[in-house]
Amino acid sequence: DGGITQSPKYLFRKEGQNVTLSCEQNLNHDAMYWYRQDPGQGLRLIYYSQIVNDFQKGDIAEGYSVSREKKESFPLTVTSAQKNPTAFYLCASSIEAPGVTEAFFGQGTRLTVV
Amino acid sequence: AQSVAQPEDQVNVAEGNPLTVKCTYSVSGNPYLFWYVQYPNRGLQFLLKYITGDNLVKGSYGFEAEFNKSQTSFHLKKPSALVSDSALYFCAVRGYGQNFVFGPGTRLSVLP
Repeated sequence: DGGITQSPKYLFRKEGQNVTLSCEQNLNHDAMYWYRQDPGQGLRLIYYSQIVNDFQKGDIAEGYSVSREKKESFPLTVTSAQKNPTAFYLCASSIEAPGVTEAFFGQGTRLTVV
Repeated sequence: AQSVAQPEDQVNVAEGNPLTVKCTYSVSGNPYLFWYVQYPNRGLQFLLKYITGDNLVKGSYGFEAEFNKSQTSFHLKKPSALVSDSALYFCAVRGYGQNFVFGPGTRLSVLP
């Protein structure tokens, strides 16, 4: 099956702990994105990457880090500097032909601080 | 700067009636517009897009959307709503060379 796989589906983090969310795609897409979704606030862009070994900050990058060592993978680390990490995290990818193609989304990871 | 507005937080419609979910946008240059649907605790599913051409775009599950350049709108429509259409709907815009910008979402409830 072609698509985007996010894991785990649910993740619990203790205060002061770093956690990493996985995102893998087999669509051969160049661009990958991480979004945060909070109730009533829609999707906010955390980081995006248009090519391997390159990525840019989105609107709410503070307290997060990413890497893009392989085309297929774009993991997101939620660091202890992120003060309010409880949210639903969505990974997406698209062909890097601006304005032409839609983004494809994974099923999301729900992160809860305990 | 790009922006998307979905003026209604919630839309209620009776099963079998037509539905409309509204979206207006702001973007420099030609807009590329998208609709997505999200079911609880799931990712976003693509419904349809407008890139160029016919102003009426047909998509998945019987949904369609009408692009209106003068009103900068891209409203989602369906002639006959189903209870299973109840979900959260997002409009998105992407200008050339820009990232996707999503609206805040509209919750659609179809009542049996």
